Amino acid sequence: GQQVQQSPASLVLQEGENAELQCNFSSTATQLQWFYQSPGGSLVSLLSNPSGTKHTGRLTSTTVTKERRSSLHISSSQTTDSGTYLCAISNMGYKLTFGTGTSLLVDP
Amino acid sequence: EAGVTQSPRYAVLQEGQAVSFWCDPISGHDTLYWYQQPRDQGPQLLVYFRDEAVIDNSQLPSDRFSAVRPKGTNSTLKIQSAKQGDTATYLCASSGGFQNTLYFGAGTRLSVL
Repeated sequence: GQQVQQSPASLVLQEGENAELQCNFSSTATQLQWFYQSPGGSLVSLLSNPSGTKHTGRLTSTTVTKERRSSLHISSSQTTDSGTYLCAISNMGYKLTFGTGTSLLVDP
Repeated sequence: EAGVTQSPRYAVLQEGQAVSFWCDPISGHDTLYWYQQPRDQGPQLLVYFRDEAVIDNSQLPSDRFSAVRPKGTNSTLKIQSAKQGDTATYLCASSGGFQNTLYFGAGTRLSVL
C-alpha cells in the first residue's frame, strides 16, 4: 500500500523564523493535501497541491510529482502556528493515506 | 454552515465494554469517513461510505467494529468489546465528491483501561 514519510518529526523555532516541512510518498499520488492539527484539536485542510507550487497566506507548498515529494514552507512563523502538520495522499480515489506528521513548536 | 459534528468528545472504558461514536457530516456531503488516530501517529482509515453504501471497510476489525450510515447522512461507529489497543482518537470526516477536500470533526478521544 501507499506509504507517506514526513520529516522532520519535530521542529522548534523562534517566532519569525521560517519552517520547511517535507513529505515523501512511495507511489503515484493524484491528490496531496496538507493538514494542520492543533494540540488536542481536529484536522484542518491547509491546501491541496498534487503538483506544482501553491501559495496561501504565509504557506507555500511545492510538489514534484515525478520525485514523489512535497514540501510545505511556513514563512515568518508565529506562536499560533504550533501544532502538528500532516501530509496525506491518494491515488485516483477517496482514500487518503496520512503520514505521521511534523510537530512544530514556535517559541515567542 | 455547520461543520462535522461528533459525539461524545471523550470516552473512558474498561476492556470488554462497548461504545458507540456518532457523526453528523456537513449537509450535502455524500462521502463520510471514519479514521482512527493512535497517539503520536497519523490518522488511519477504518471505513468510508458514499451515501449509505460502504465503499471500503478493509481496515475495519470486523470482529469487534461496525459502522453504519443508514440514510446516507449521520453515521455510527461501534466497538463491541473494546481492547486497550483501541485507545485512540476516532475522527469522522466528510467530503462533497471525488477528490474534494475532507472536513474533519473534533474527534472522540477513547481510553480503554
